[in-house]
Amino acid sequence: DTAVSQTPKYLVTQMGNDKSIKCEQNLGHDTMYWYKQDSKKFLKIMFSYNNKELIINETVPNRFSPKSPDKAHLNLHINSLELGDSAVYFCASSQEDRDHYGYTFGSGTRLTVV
Amino acid sequence: AQKITQTQPGMFVQEKEAVTLDCTYDTSDPSYGLFWYKQPSSGEMIFLIYQGSYDQQNATEGRYSLNFQKARKSANLVISASQLGDSAMYFCAMRERRTGANNLFFGTGTRLTVIP
Repeated sequence: DTAVSQTPKYLVTQMGNDKSIKCEQNLGHDTMYWYKQDSKKFLKIMFSYNNKELIINETVPNRFSPKSPDKAHLNLHINSLELGDSAVYFCASSQEDRDHYGYTFGSGTRLTVV
Repeated sequence: AQKITQTQPGMFVQEKEAVTLDCTYDTSDPSYGLFWYKQPSSGEMIFLIYQGSYDQQNATEGRYSLNFQKARKSANLVISASQLGDSAMYFCAMRERRTGANNLFFGTGTRLTVIP
């Protein structure tokens, strides 16, 4: 069973389109995250949700919006896609006071905007 | 200011030898955690090892050990007996507790190549 699963794995779309990436974790973790990995492999936090509350929102364009229907899901919606949005997006989850187990990452979604 | 610095863009190591990947960090938070992740060419992020700022001993996990030097703010990863499968990108990351957020700050990574 995959601990953090995100779909789709690959997403190719045209500029201006709206798309969503889904993420689900079955670990019972209390916090979920979205990270963006750019072409230089740099990983940067976009959002995190703890018990359905947004607790971090870095300087991300408001075209990006996280949606958490419940504790186990954190979906990423992107409106009006731009070429610069092309990247690999990772979903992750963690449990408070269990850092020694690490943060668990999904396998990533490679988004290509053409 | 960069919270995590990895100064080695690329490293080479002979198979079966040990290699050290450097990581320095910057924080004024007395309570923090340090993590290392491996990202093979397939793209997934694999958790390797964790060190808490109050941990007295250096963390070890199999062939991975973390050389934690708190005064120098360094958390180098040591991989012993390198294997071909160790070839990958390696990321150092830090979590600060003071802010109340659980965000992991990542370094820019080191690409390790194991030579047969």
